Amino acid sequence: GENVEQHPSTLSVQEGDSAVIKCTYSDSASNYFPWYKQELGKGPQLIIDIRSNVGEKKDQRIAVTLNKTAKHFSLHITETQPEDSAVYFCAGNSGAGSYQLTFGKGTKLSVIP
Amino acid sequence: SAVISQKPSRDICQRGTSLTIQCQVDSQVTMMFWYRQQPGQSLTLIATANQGSEATYESGFVIDKFPISRPNLTFSTLTVSNMSPEDSSIYLCSVFPGTYDEQFFGPGTRLTVL
Repeated sequence: GENVEQHPSTLSVQEGDSAVIKCTYSDSASNYFPWYKQELGKGPQLIIDIRSNVGEKKDQRIAVTLNKTAKHFSLHITETQPEDSAVYFCAGNSGAGSYQLTFGKGTKLSVIP
Repeated sequence: SAVISQKPSRDICQRGTSLTIQCQVDSQVTMMFWYRQQPGQSLTLIATANQGSEATYESGFVIDKFPISRPNLTFSTLTVSNMSPEDSSIYLCSVFPGTYDEQFFGPGTRLTVL
């Protein structure tokens, strides 16, 4: 089955700097890669996703890149703000057409004012 | 997207008892899932709740411990049976509306077993 590795486990940045979180996956048939943000005491919130037919996707201050050959994808947050502080999870589906997601272990991002 | 609610939002239970968690969605959805998130950990899929048939469980999870119902396309329940302190976790419902690939999560149920 799919295995998703996520790094780093913790990340501290100064407000206004950029943050990058990286994930690798094992199943070359996976074709959907979402990112979730989980604030303390809340459920995970889908913030951006990418499909295997696209190399990059942007939504305001966040972007995701995908390298299918290397089987890795990354989340980029620019101009970080204190409200970006949360735990971020990457995930991958278990092959094309699969609805099941395998999650990385999470990255705790702290944005220091 | 979909608006998902879970009840209860949190509970403290005694070992040996059972708790049923409800998940309600504001629209009909194709798939519903139940996840467990142990303290400080990632999300682990427990099972897929199938409408009108038995749930499909992942390795390490069994129906006797986590019975699931899904009577219609907007509602599901997860029961945590014969609880022990190791069952203390956040239990999350997620839904796949079916339009694209997106899955959306409910707010979670925070369970503490004493």
